[in-house]
Amino acid sequence: GEDVEQSLFLSVREGDSSVINCTYTDSSSTYLYWYKQEPGAGLQLLTYIFSNMDMKQDQRLTVLLNKKDKHLSLRIADTQTGDSAIYFCAEGPLNYGGSQGNLIFGKGTKLSVKP
Amino acid sequence: ETGVTQTPRHLVMGMTNKKSLKCEQHLGHNAMYWYKQSAKKPLELMFVYSLEERVENNSVPSRFSPECPNSSHLFLHLHTLQPEDSALYLCASSQDQTGGIYNEQFFGPGTRLTVL
Repeated sequence: GEDVEQSLFLSVREGDSSVINCTYTDSSSTYLYWYKQEPGAGLQLLTYIFSNMDMKQDQRLTVLLNKKDKHLSLRIADTQTGDSAIYFCAEGPLNYGGSQGNLIFGKGTKLSVKP
Repeated sequence: ETGVTQTPRHLVMGMTNKKSLKCEQHLGHNAMYWYKQSAKKPLELMFVYSLEERVENNSVPSRFSPECPNSSHLFLHLHTLQPEDSALYLCASSQDQTGGIYNEQFFGPGTRLTVL
């Protein structure tokens, strides 16, 4: 079945770059997403990449997609304490015949930024 | 209120209780979702409603009963739950059910449920 894998924890120092990695299994996914969950809040869409792209940059965020290896990464430049959160990788939609709004999420990577 | 709201934010219940979780979206969306977020497990989709009709039920036990009386409100009725049902229950909404980046899902803050 479909599976999205992420490491559970990452700790960095303020000002360093953070790289959160994700692997997925469904090669038919059209979009790959990164969501951010701050303490006590719901998930917020952070950024996304279309599956026919290999890189997307958005201010401090860089998303890299290696479709051959089914590997997705999120790089946060100049990481700040406000970036401390759980980051979820997700893939979808999976098919056009069923509930197209479904996303398959990883377990989330908890990013801790130390001053 | 804006966005997606959920009440209560925290709930502690015994296994014989009956309670309900409420979700309300103020975005004019037509699709609403219930997700379960357990520790050490991926986010799991439980139910999908589109235009107040249930379109997906991902093999969720019958002790969870959803209700969508209109496109702005979604409930999750709980009865005879088990301790393993303790989790964060997230509600989300999107314009419709078609997915993709033009149809972003907006999430509420969740209800932290503890079953004793």
